[in-house]
Amino acid sequence: DTGVSQDPRHKITKRGQNVTFRCDPISEHNRLYWYRQTLGQGPEFLTYFQNEAQLEKSRLLSDRFSAERPKGSFSTLEIQRTEQGDSAMYLCASSASGGWQYFGPGTRLTVT
Amino acid sequence: GDSVTQMEGPVTLSEEAFLTINCTYTATGYPSLFWYVQYPGEGLQLLLKATKADDKGSNKGFEATYRKETTSFHLEKGSVQVSDSAVYFCALSDGNQGAQKLVFGQGTRLTINP
Repeated sequence: DTGVSQDPRHKITKRGQNVTFRCDPISEHNRLYWYRQTLGQGPEFLTYFQNEAQLEKSRLLSDRFSAERPKGSFSTLEIQRTEQGDSAMYLCASSASGGWQYFGPGTRLTVT
Repeated sequence: GDSVTQMEGPVTLSEEAFLTINCTYTATGYPSLFWYVQYPGEGLQLLLKATKADDKGSNKGFEATYRKETTSFHLEKGSVQVSDSAVYFCALSDGNQGAQKLVFGQGTRLTINP
């Protein structure tokens, strides 16, 4: 069990650019979650996959955000036309059905 | 909607002091309750959990009891160490149905001085 991994760990981008983050869950976990954490706040839920199906999306996930999990394994989160307000830590978590969520180290995004 | 309120930080204690971090929640149904810890430069780690009323979660000397009557899940430790310095998050999930997404409090930063 190698845990949840995320790549990259840090990303600095200019406003208006697109960015993509990757999450590799624990291998036997069928559920995958994305959260966003801004400075001094707790993580906020963005979206959730069960296998390859995206089953729930938060209102926080504007139309500039898209997430995929094409083969039910790794997931990507893309942000188009980044804005300074997108600067945050993006956290991925995975779980087995009915199990507890295990978090990755996060990707810190800075939009300049 | 569901929400979690935590004691505001930062909290600064001396080594071997007693720790309490208050957490209260608002939820429909019967949520599961969690404490996560975030050490500097690291991701969130599950510290302890409780799934039903009166359950006590415990790990690494930390304890929390699920109190349905007061909608609380306060974190306690009898004797803190410098290595306990971290940010602590209380969270709930929406039970065994649906997404089981986590709803977090704002976090409490704890600093332990030697």
